[in-house]
Amino acid sequence: GDSVTQMEGPVTLSEEAFLTINCTYTATGYPSLFWYVQYPGEGLQLLLKATKADDKGSNKGFEATYRKETTSFHLEKGSVQVSDSAVYFCALSVRGSTLGRLYFGRGTQLTVWP
Amino acid sequence: EAGVTQSPTHLIKTRGQQATLRCSPISGHTSVYWYQQALGLGLQFLLWYDEGEERNRGNFPPRFSGRQFPNYSSELNVNALELEDSALYLCASSLGPGQEPFYEQYFGPGTRLTVT
Repeated sequence: GDSVTQMEGPVTLSEEAFLTINCTYTATGYPSLFWYVQYPGEGLQLLLKATKADDKGSNKGFEATYRKETTSFHLEKGSVQVSDSAVYFCALSVRGSTLGRLYFGRGTQLTVWP
Repeated sequence: EAGVTQSPTHLIKTRGQQATLRCSPISGHTSVYWYQQALGLGLQFLLWYDEGEERNRGNFPPRFSGRQFPNYSSELNVNALELEDSALYLCASSLGPGQEPFYEQYFGPGTRLTVT
């Protein structure tokens, strides 16, 4: 079936450190991949997306590349800030599916210390 | 452009009661989705509505139901509330099937339901 496996953490970093959050997926059809971010007490915000193999999504210094050969979509940021502290969710949509839904990883709590 | 809105922000109910949660999608979006985010369980898909019809349903009992109105807003009803229904309920919207990018979902701030 369709699913997402995400590094759960929690991840604790110092400001300006490098961030990687691993995400792999299984898809029965053609995938579109997303990273969402959830700040405390809020809903999910779409952070970035990639819709075809080797696409790189980027936003606010975050990047993720859709790697078909490794079925991965790892999130990276070169220098994190305290304001990046949040929960990050990797998500999968299967294009052409009649199910409509997103499949989410379990989320990774990131805490950045000054 | 206004995002997805949800009401109420918080809802406190007693076990056995009914809860009604509301969602207004982004203008132009015809699809509405409901997800449950319970502590320790991650994000669970509940329901998908498009053009007033229920298109898909997650693995939840029938006491979770909803509907979509002609203006594409949606309501989630939870009957016979149980303690484990306490969660953040998130609504999302997207363009309809066949429209690109149908697969991009935008979320509201959620309704926090507490069952005592």
